[in-house]
Amino acid sequence: QKEVEQDPGPLSVPEGAIVSLNCTYSNSAFQYFMWYRQYSRKGPELLMYTYSSGNKEDGRFTAQVDKSSKYISLFIRDSQPSDSATYLCAMSEGPQSSYKLIFGSGTRLLVRP
Amino acid sequence: KAGVTQTPRYLIKTRGQQVTLSCSPISGHRSVSWYQQTPGQGLQFLFEYFSETQRNKGNFPGRFSGRQFSNSRSEMNVSTLELGDSALYLCASRINTDGYTFGSGTRLTVV
Repeated sequence: QKEVEQDPGPLSVPEGAIVSLNCTYSNSAFQYFMWYRQYSRKGPELLMYTYSSGNKEDGRFTAQVDKSSKYISLFIRDSQPSDSATYLCAMSEGPQSSYKLIFGSGTRLLVRP
Repeated sequence: KAGVTQTPRYLIKTRGQQVTLSCSPISGHRSVSWYQQTPGQGLQFLFEYFSETQRNKGNFPGRFSGRQFSNSRSEMNVSTLELGDSALYLCASRINTDGYTFGSGTRLTVV
C-alpha cells in the first residue's frame, strides 16, 4: 500500500464548477501538507501549504486537512480552463525526515469552456 | 526574484554513459532536494542537501549521487545509465518550512 493515495482521474468539469480533489494517507507522522499544480512540461508549482487540521483559504483555493481521518482536500471555486493541469498532494513528516516530500500520484483536471 | 534554475532542460544519453545535472536554487535558499518523476512511479525523492551536507537519501541505487557547493548550487550524477533512468529530474529549494519551490526540471532520455 502506498503511503499517499490519490485518484488519478482524469476529472472533467465545466467552467465555473467547484472542484474537489482528495488524498488519503497512512503515515500518522505526516505534519506538513501541500498541494502542487503541474502543467505539462513544467515543474510542480506550490499552491497551498498547511501544517494543521482545518481549512486554509487563498483566493479561489481552499485546503482542508483532517488528521484524525488522514484525509486532505483541495477545493477550487469558479474553476477556469487555465486550471486544467495535474494536481499533486504532498506530505512531509518535518524535520525528522529533513522535510522529504511524499507525493500522491496526481489527479488530472480538465476544465471545459 | 529568480526561481530555481535547472540545466540542461533536455538530455539524450546512451545506455552505460553517465550524466550530470545542475541546479541553482533561489538566492538565499540553503536546502536543495532532487526528485525523479516518471509516469509509472510518479515523483520520488532522491536526496536532500543542506549547507553542502547530504541530510537524507531516497531508495535509489548508488549510481545516483549528488553534491552541493558552498554557494548552494547542486549537481546530481547518474552513472552507468539504464533505460529505466529516463525521467524528468526535478530540483527544489527551500528556505524554511513553507514548502519547496521546484524548477522546471531536466528531461533525461536514455536510448
